[in-house]
Amino acid sequence: DTAVSQTPKYLVTQMGNDKSIKCEQNLGHDTMYWYKQDSKKFLKIMFSYNNKELIINETVPNRFSPKSPDKAHLNLHINSLELGDSAVYFCASSQDVEGYGYTFGSGTRLTVV
Amino acid sequence: AQSVTQPDIHITVSEGASLELRCNYSYGATPYLFWYVQSPGQGLQLLLKYFSGDTLVQGIKGFEAEFKRSQSSFNLRKPSVHWSDAAEYFCAVERDMRFGAGTRLTVKP
Repeated sequence: DTAVSQTPKYLVTQMGNDKSIKCEQNLGHDTMYWYKQDSKKFLKIMFSYNNKELIINETVPNRFSPKSPDKAHLNLHINSLELGDSAVYFCASSQDVEGYGYTFGSGTRLTVV
Repeated sequence: AQSVTQPDIHITVSEGASLELRCNYSYGATPYLFWYVQSPGQGLQLLLKYFSGDTLVQGIKGFEAEFKRSQSSFNLRKPSVHWSDAAEYFCAVERDMRFGAGTRLTVKP
């Protein structure tokens, strides 16, 4: 009964491939997010999405795209993978209430070779 | 520019010693403030948060944090550190859930 679950936990792939990371939350939260954590542990928000709007961090390449089939899922699709995409990607969710705080998944370690 | 700063990249304390992790923010108004902990290979777990009221907030695992408006700070404290507290700690502000760079805590036996 994990609150925010991501799959896969590890993903190793070659440059140029297209891959997806899945995220599901069973908390009934309104909003979901994707974060990228680099090798220095720096966390950068990539997307936030609720049923009203998608907010994209303008620094995220358009090779990255979120897909939300329903309120409980926010998948991350990455096209034409590059070496620099190697990182840990975290999904998170929250209620659309200020000060609520986020619940994070356990992360997906992506390695591009 | 809006920012959140954790001045200490790495801190080492002895088990049983007290701990203080620093966090400073730079925002136009007082944002909502959070501390998260990330254990190795894990996601981030919310330790505590502040948005109004009592400036000393209690969290899980024996942690507390004090909001000081005059210093734009929200420092995390624990009176007696346990070996299991070794982890990465992140301060965050909720205007756009911006995280600090993190402080890695090492606990010596």
